[in-house]
Amino acid sequence: QKEVEQNSGPLSVPEGAIASLNCTYSDRVSQSFFWYRQYSGKSPELIMSIYSNGDKEDGRFTAQLNKASQYVSLLIRDSQPSDSATYLCAVSRYSSASKIIFGSGTRLSIRP
Amino acid sequence: EPEVTQTPSHQVTQMGQEVILRCVPISNHLYFYWYRQILGQKVEFLVSFYNNEISEKSEIFDDQFSVERPDGSNFTLKIRSTKLEDSAMYFCASSSGTVNTEAFFGQGTRLTVV
Repeated sequence: QKEVEQNSGPLSVPEGAIASLNCTYSDRVSQSFFWYRQYSGKSPELIMSIYSNGDKEDGRFTAQLNKASQYVSLLIRDSQPSDSATYLCAVSRYSSASKIIFGSGTRLSIRP
Repeated sequence: EPEVTQTPSHQVTQMGQEVILRCVPISNHLYFYWYRQILGQKVEFLVSFYNNEISEKSEIFDDQFSVERPDGSNFTLKIRSTKLEDSAMYFCASSSGTVNTEAFFGQGTRLTVV
């Protein structure tokens, strides 16, 4: 069983719409959850972190966590062409002092 | 804004040669990491480092790999005898390590073994 699973995509969303990205994880003791954005050939860039059940909003981004279902999601509102990238779900057992386990990423394409 | 910096951005080496990848973590961070990403694959954990010693390593991090913090600012990854399959992007990351904080990544070093 993969530790962090994501749909590889590509997910195509029209500009201005909501993009919804999903992730499941297998390690029940995971405590920290992250969404990174990665442009082709570049390094992962942290866009959201979430540590407790529920929603966390930051600008156009909302992260949702459900530990009972072992499910994390990211919503991007008012999608822009610059949001086109691969989105990596990542999970850590304790604080970020622990290793981060990445999913394979979902490719998101925003069409004008 | 503080950032993790890595040098070089691209390294080409012959198979069997030793390479050293360098990183300068964010200055007040205490935890340091190396990850790698083979082209088209996911980001994989290699090793974490705290208080001048390895705190965790993956099965990828075998005897060919070593890490060092030689001077209190740099954090290095050495590959002793490179193999073709070591070709990848290598990312350094650092974290303050306090509860519920994030790890920030450098821009990466692209290692090409020929």
